Amino acid sequence: AQSVTQLGSHVSVSEGALVLLRCNYSSSVPPYLFWYVQYPNQGLQLLLKYTTGATLVKGINGFEAEFKKSETSFHLTKPSAHMSDAAEYFCAVSGGSSNTGKLIFGQGTTLQVKP
Amino acid sequence: GAGVSQSPSNKVTEKGKDVELRCDPISGHTALYWYRQRLGQGLEFLIYFQGNSAPDKSGLPSDRFSAERTGESVSTLTIQRTQQEDSAVYLCASSLERTDIQYFGAGTRLSVL
Repeated sequence: AQSVTQLGSHVSVSEGALVLLRCNYSSSVPPYLFWYVQYPNQGLQLLLKYTTGATLVKGINGFEAEFKKSETSFHLTKPSAHMSDAAEYFCAVSGGSSNTGKLIFGQGTTLQVKP
Repeated sequence: GAGVSQSPSNKVTEKGKDVELRCDPISGHTALYWYRQRLGQGLEFLIYFQGNSAPDKSGLPSDRFSAERTGESVSTLTIQRTQQEDSAVYLCASSLERTDIQYFGAGTRLSVL
């Protein structure tokens, strides 16, 4: 069984400040991990993904995430927040190569960026 | 079109009525997924299609929910005898293969009155 926990349903940062969105997962098989962003009235857009190999993954819009197996974490960071980063962010896990590919999502974190 | 297309974008129905939601995946994508997003919650997996294989229906919440897909093209999600708790955004995603990146449509917002 797999599950995802996103710590903090709402995160507020000032423009230019560090963004840190937390994600912890559980998986009985080597996981594939994803971060998606959802802007209002739009579908989900992939920010980045981890499958195998390098544990620090760089994505679009300056975001990156680090897979830490020992901590079962996949936190999302960005050094400097922009107003356009305000959106809802979802962490997701799938069962890697052994799975159908269905995604198990966290509850989401709404990021607010203050001017 | 270039992306996943869903219709209608909004659907308002009365409790007890049946509804059909449509998903047009990206051309050539063999895998298709349906998810449900309730207000303030994450996405819940509903059903998965892969080519001509038997679908994975493990996420369907009740027998009022069903879905079909013709080959590797359009899929229809049907909800019979809708209930107020069915109100949600229904999202469709497709991918080249089951382990590839999933591309999401904008969703159908279903409101059951």
